[in-house]
Amino acid sequence: AQSVAQPEDQVNVAEGNPLTVKCTYSVSGNPYLFWYVQYPNRGLQFLLKYITGDNLVKGSYGFEAEFNKSQTSFHLKKPSALVSDSALYFCAVRDGGNAGNMLTFGGGTRLMVKP
Amino acid sequence: DAMVIQNPRYQVTQFGKPVTLSCSQTLNHNVMYWYQQKSSQAPKLLFHYYDKDFNNEADTPDNFQSRRPNTSFCFLDIRSPGLGDTAMYLCATSRVEGSTEAFFGQGTRLTVV
Repeated sequence: AQSVAQPEDQVNVAEGNPLTVKCTYSVSGNPYLFWYVQYPNRGLQFLLKYITGDNLVKGSYGFEAEFNKSQTSFHLKKPSALVSDSALYFCAVRDGGNAGNMLTFGGGTRLMVKP
Repeated sequence: DAMVIQNPRYQVTQFGKPVTLSCSQTLNHNVMYWYQQKSSQAPKLLFHYYDKDFNNEADTPDNFQSRRPNTSFCFLDIRSPGLGDTAMYLCATSRVEGSTEAFFGQGTRLTVV
């Protein structure tokens, strides 16, 4: 079975400060990891993914994430937060060794960026 | 341009009255998914299609059905909506390769009264 944990329901950060949204995962095979963002009353929007290669992946809107195999983590980061980054963030995993496997989402983390 | 389009964006229906939500895509993806999302929780997969092959999740209620008449369109039918079915319903598509991301529509917010 595969699972994702987002240990923080909410993260508060001041505008201009760096932000981190945490994600840990569990899969039996190679992990395919994804981050999505959701604004109010909208669908999920893809930010970035890790499949293989460099552990640091860069995505949309200045976000990046670092894959850490030993800690089974894939934390989302941004050097300087904007008020417009305030939204709900979901981490997701798929077992890369199982072609029929579906995405499993974490419970979500609400990011609040204050001016 | 929107690539996964859901209609309507908002739907209010009466308890027990059948309702259909629609999804269309311009990406020509093989796989289409329907998710239910309640109160900013994680999206819960209801079922998915791989081309015309229908795959139901084990805990999806029988009240929820789906149709995919062609590659571009997919429908979610709720035969007798209950108050507990009030939620955001999200359609998504992807290529079959597991390394590809899913593309989501804007969602349909369904309210059962």
